[in-house]
Amino acid sequence: EIVMTQSPATLSVSPGERATLSCRASQSVSSYLAWYQQTPGQAPRLLIYGASTRATGIPARFSGSGSGTEFTLSISSLQSEDFAVYYCQQYDSWPLTFGGGTKVEIK
Amino acid sequence: QVQLQESGPGLVKPSETLSLTCDVFGYSISSGYYWAWIRQPPGKGLEWIGSMYHSGNTYNNPSLKSRVTISIDTSKNQFSLKLTSVTAADTALYYCASLYCDGRRCYYFDYWGLGTLVTVSS
Repeated sequence: EIVMTQSPATLSVSPGERATLSCRASQSVSSYLAWYQQTPGQAPRLLIYGASTRATGIPARFSGSGSGTEFTLSISSLQSEDFAVYYCQQYDSWPLTFGGGTKVEIK
Repeated sequence: QVQLQESGPGLVKPSETLSLTCDVFGYSISSGYYWAWIRQPPGKGLEWIGSMYHSGNTYNNPSLKSRVTISIDTSKNQFSLKLTSVTAADTALYYCASLYCDGRRCYYFDYWGLGTLVTVSS
């Protein structure tokens, strides 16, 4: 099983600032990585797939990068609706696995 | 627009079987997606449970061993989860979702239900 590790667990950021979230895989997953956003009381929403491709309707302030074992999700200028928990997920091999999440909170 | 809605008992006794159903709206369950179950224990992260294609091809998380059965009812456009021998550790918010796959591999979950909370307690 590929273990996904996200850091930090919590990120405190002021509105309008940039947030950078990390996801590390225990072995290479190539670019088979997705990012999701989960706001309180809501289901996760797909943000990024293929490590860097934004899903339909996702604003350009969200960007993903990386390959192999190291990945980054960047949010260029945090809006109020971006304060949420973010999860990465690998789909290189079964079982599909998620990271533990990074909570982005208002500083 | 694909919409999914979970339903089932919110309380299950230890050692019994958890049974949930997911109704799919706006898309034929016999079309291109795999159909998946994912759970989230209170305050914790996401765990993929298993996925099934309408042809019967299934992938399950080995961590749940043989306790999981996923089935599809094409006549009702719904799919179901059965998890046997539940314990308190199975208490979670259970989501159904569509898993995008092509002929080579499966990828990401692009449509999700709102989730249903199942508590295991006597």
